[in-house]
Amino acid sequence: EVQLVESGGGLVKPGGSLRLSCEASGFDFSSHRMTWVRQAPGKGLEWVSSLSLSSTTIHYADSVRGRFTISRDNARSSLYLQLNSLKVEDTAVYYCARVGSTRYCGGGSCFYYDYWGQGTVVTVSS
Amino acid sequence: EIVLTQSPGTLSLSPGERATLSCRASENVGRYFLAWYQHKPGQAPRLLIYGASNRATDIPDRFSGRGTGTDFTLTISRLEPEDFAVYYCHHYGTSQDTFGQGTKVEIK
Repeated sequence: EVQLVESGGGLVKPGGSLRLSCEASGFDFSSHRMTWVRQAPGKGLEWVSSLSLSSTTIHYADSVRGRFTISRDNARSSLYLQLNSLKVEDTAVYYCARVGSTRYCGGGSCFYYDYWGQGTVVTVSS
Repeated sequence: EIVLTQSPGTLSLSPGERATLSCRASENVGRYFLAWYQHKPGQAPRLLIYGASNRATDIPDRFSGRGTGTDFTLTISRLEPEDFAVYYCHHYGTSQDTFGQGTKVEIK
């Protein structure tokens, strides 16, 4: 059974830092791109960051670029998100998700998020 | 950056009725990278549809998706009590991913 379990959330003051972790099990972690998505209170889902199998390709949303750092440890089947210079507007539930793919998807390769964790809550407040 | 606009914002329907949700992209996104998710409070989002029209594993056939280019639709043929939730479309981009703002399907 595929499982993704996030941890590391908490209450932090503006300007502070946190490191989120996502422990994966039930699949070959090293064979999947991974991503972080967040949901602020009362808002919709917002993509945060993604990285490739060997971390050679990394992308960030404009809202977090330069402050957040995504990384992975394939030996530990774990995904991380380092959150620095936190702002009140970073308050959210942070989800990690697995990027799934289907090679023959009606003529091309499809990509999507097929498994998600339950999320970890980050609250930025003074 | 591609923007996904979902409509309506809220859909008030009764169990057994048909729900039609729209997702419009600001530019052509093809269909291979367009997915739909269901999200209930306190739960992880759940993949429903990928590649615009392919049902994910264990998703009931009352859920269907269609569209290509800039216009996409998620249809729930007959609403069951467990279908009342928020639904998001999602574009898997080459460097930036995008979610629509969501459509809430609520009990009328």
